[in-house]
Amino acid sequence: EDKVVQSPLSLVVHEGDTVTLNCSYEVTNFRSLLWYKQEKKAPTFLFMLTSSGIEKKSGRLSSILDKKELFSILNITATQTGDSAIYLCAEGSARQLTFGSGTQLTVLP
Amino acid sequence: GAVVSQHPSRVICKSGTSVKIECRSLDFQATTMFWYRQFPKQSLMLMATSNEGSKATYEQGVEKDKFLINHASLTLSTLTVTSAHPEDSSFYICSARNSGSGGYDNEQFFGPGTRLTVL
Repeated sequence: EDKVVQSPLSLVVHEGDTVTLNCSYEVTNFRSLLWYKQEKKAPTFLFMLTSSGIEKKSGRLSSILDKKELFSILNITATQTGDSAIYLCAEGSARQLTFGSGTQLTVLP
Repeated sequence: GAVVSQHPSRVICKSGTSVKIECRSLDFQATTMFWYRQFPKQSLMLMATSNEGSKATYEQGVEKDKFLINHASLTLSTLTVTSAHPEDSSFYICSARNSGSGGYDNEQFFGPGTRLTVL
């Protein structure tokens, strides 16, 4: 059975801090690793990673995949209160997405 | 960009009634749509995969007679929660996979979700 595990489950930081969110996976036929941000409604897409070692960046967010060790990290630098959300990672096989439990990030002013 | 809508966004109903939720892909065709359920402070759990023109594929533990899925066209899938009970109260999210060319073949676009409260 495919499995995606995220850590930590929750994290509270202050504005300006840098955070690293972790995602490890065990899947039979790995295709891609996706990161989403979920606020009050449905998840919004952040990154899709398919190759090891290639960092993807979008503003203060970046992510990288290690296919040998089967994990990915999502970094957020200079956090802002608007970054408060649940961050979900998912493995995208050909058939479906398998989500991790999510990391609840709270950024305090 | 690819847009997926859901209707209604919020519904409150009495126990024992049935509730229909619609998921539409607005600017692309989707032969495959997915229905997820999310309880508070938990992740998305896949309930079923909806295939246009054929029967839905349900995940283990999801009652197909209780959660009826119809995917009658390339842009519309419906989820009907039959004889809803308070334990069915949850956030239901659909997603759609773009059947057209371009993009990633497993890229899903999410609807905004439907908050169901069963009294």
